[in-house]
Amino acid sequence: QSVLTQPPSASGTPGQRVTISCSGSRSNIGSNSVNWFQGLPGTAPKLVIFRNNQRPEGVPDRFSGSGSGTSASLAINGLQSEDEADYYCAAWDDSLNRVLFGGGTKLTVL
Amino acid sequence: QEQLVESGGGVVQPGRSLRLSCAASGFNLSTYDIHWVRQAPGRGLEWVSLISHDGSKKYYGDSVKGRLTLSRDNSKNTVFVQMDSLRVEDTAIYYCVKGRYCGRSSCYPLGYYYGMDVWGQGTTVTVSS
Repeated sequence: QSVLTQPPSASGTPGQRVTISCSGSRSNIGSNSVNWFQGLPGTAPKLVIFRNNQRPEGVPDRFSGSGSGTSASLAINGLQSEDEADYYCAAWDDSLNRVLFGGGTKLTVL
Repeated sequence: QEQLVESGGGVVQPGRSLRLSCAASGFNLSTYDIHWVRQAPGRGLEWVSLISHDGSKKYYGDSVKGRLTLSRDNSKNTVFVQMDSLRVEDTAIYYCVKGRYCGRSSCYPLGYYYGMDVWGQGTTVTVSS
């Protein structure tokens, strides 16, 4: 069972806006930044958001991150078919001294 | 181009050992922490361990603590993980992942930025009798 909680699934139609939530606690999301990763079958995960709301070079600006308190969110605007993937949040935990991953959210583009 | 390449995976019986390697190119490994992350078949991502840029600090996840030993040879741009007493539940793809940058005087606090912007292609470890 993951310490960071994500919904197991999310869905949207092309062009829609989708958000994925990630809930933690004071020792992780409440104190530290959140990264978001995209996982596609057969490939290594890809960083899509770092330090809560920063996009690495090459990640479309349709992807954005936000957070408040002990929760964080990933938003994808203008959903496209190639966005169909698993998405994971992660944060450093000060009490456990480790990186925690959320359980992952499977995004389906209908 | 920054790149990480893992090797050393394979099929091993429960209780045996494996040593995984992670070779870096395109960046100065000695100034970066390195994480290991694994993904079991049909499961999500699980953080396994972290070795600091100079090898002075090591952190381990609960599921592997006491069975994993991290090391690095910055002169060869390579990081190693020795996995002992392997269990069936250790079966997974193991990724080495570039961590935070550590300059001459200091590193970002891990809570502020722990990296993970570059991933290797992964090496598969299968533990089975």
